[in-house]
Order: sequence, then structure tokens, then C-alpha cells
Amino acid sequence: EAGVVQSPRYKIIEKKQPVAFWCNPISGHNTLYWYLQNLGQGPELLIRYENEEAVDDSQLPKDRFSAERLKGVDSTLKIQPAELGDSAVYLCASSLGGQGSTGELFFGEGSRLTVL
Amino acid sequence: SQQGEEDPQALSIQEGENATMNCSYKTSINNLQWYRQNSGRGLVHLILIRSNEREKHSGRLRVTLDTSKKSSSLLITASRAADTASYFCATKNTGFQKLVFGTGTRLLVSP
Repeated sequence: EAGVVQSPRYKIIEKKQPVAFWCNPISGHNTLYWYLQNLGQGPELLIRYENEEAVDDSQLPKDRFSAERLKGVDSTLKIQPAELGDSAVYLCASSLGGQGSTGELFFGEGSRLTVL
Repeated sequence: SQQGEEDPQALSIQEGENATMNCSYKTSINNLQWYRQNSGRGLVHLILIRSNEREKHSGRLRVTLDTSKKSSSLLITASRAADTASYFCATKNTGFQKLVFGTGTRLLVSP
């Protein structure tokens, strides 16, 4: 079974440019997460989707970040315009979700963003 | 914001030795999970312990949970060079569906 797929793996852009990351979760996983991981730190949640609904986006900087999960499967995370401080790894994860879920997450390999 | 703090931040041992890392957290939890992250890769789930459990084993891994002290420990026995990675604890807090990760312990196992 395929795991969580993310692209691109690496992206280098100049500040003020836009960037987008794509995530394909494990088939059948209703819950999708975007996490931000700074160097030497643990992941921090940006947004969580239950199917196509964003149920927790309290940590998403909405002035420049946006996300969508059309049809409750794939998701994209966009930054426009990017700032130097956005350089980090953007991790996508999925889980079964729902009341019976223990919360175990399955992560993709991440998209490493460098803003120059 | 990060829920847990892990101790030590970095740990260097020789192959065959045991590695112990600790995690402290702040709020009431449903479960606590440990993940491993190899350099440049995503996180991989290792083990989950529920709030009503005190100890759990999986292969060379042993996890303990003390809810009165809001702390957990991960023991890796007979470590191998391939265990070199960062290890994160993550808590599933009561009433919430999301996982909150700690700051991680970087483990280096030398041959």
C-alpha cells in the first residue's frame, strides 16, 4: 500500500514569490494534517482536515497561507508571498480519524522549502 | 506551540548500549505516542501507550507512562547504528483530535 505522497521534496524560491505543496494521503484516511517543522524542532500543526472540512486552522497564518482539500482526498498548501522565515519542512500526514481512531499519524517525506 | 519537552536534547551512545529518553507534557491526555525521524525523512510511528496503561513493549522498545507526573520514557535496548535518528513524543490531548509533538531527542549510535 502506498504511503503519504508529497511533492515537491525540495523547493528554493526568492522571497515574495508564491509556492505550493501537494499531498496525497493514504487511501481511506479521512483526516489530513499539514505540519510545519523548523530545524531542530518538533512538528507544529498548521491545519487539520476531516474529509474536505478544515476543522482546526487556528495555527495557520491566514494572511499568507492557504490550504484546500478538494473532494476530501488530495490537499494543497500555498504560501503567497513567501518570507525568509517560512524556510522549513512542510509535512503532510494522514490518519483514519473518527471516534475510533487512536490518532496514529502516517507522515509523508516532507517538502523542504528554502526562501532566499 | 509544542506540548512536550524531551530530555536529553541529544544522546550519544555505543552500539549495544541502552538509550533512554524522557518526555514531559502539560495537560491531560488520551494517549502518548513515540515517533522516529531519520535525517531528511518523515516521521514514523513507533509505539502508542494509552492513559490507563503504565508500560508497553514492542520489540526492543519499552515505553512507560506516569500520568501523575505527566511524563513518559522510551527505552531502546541493545541499540544499533540504524537507531540513529530523532525521537519525538506526541500527546493526544483529552477532548482534542490532534497530536501535539515535543521538541525531540537526537540519538547518535556509534558502531
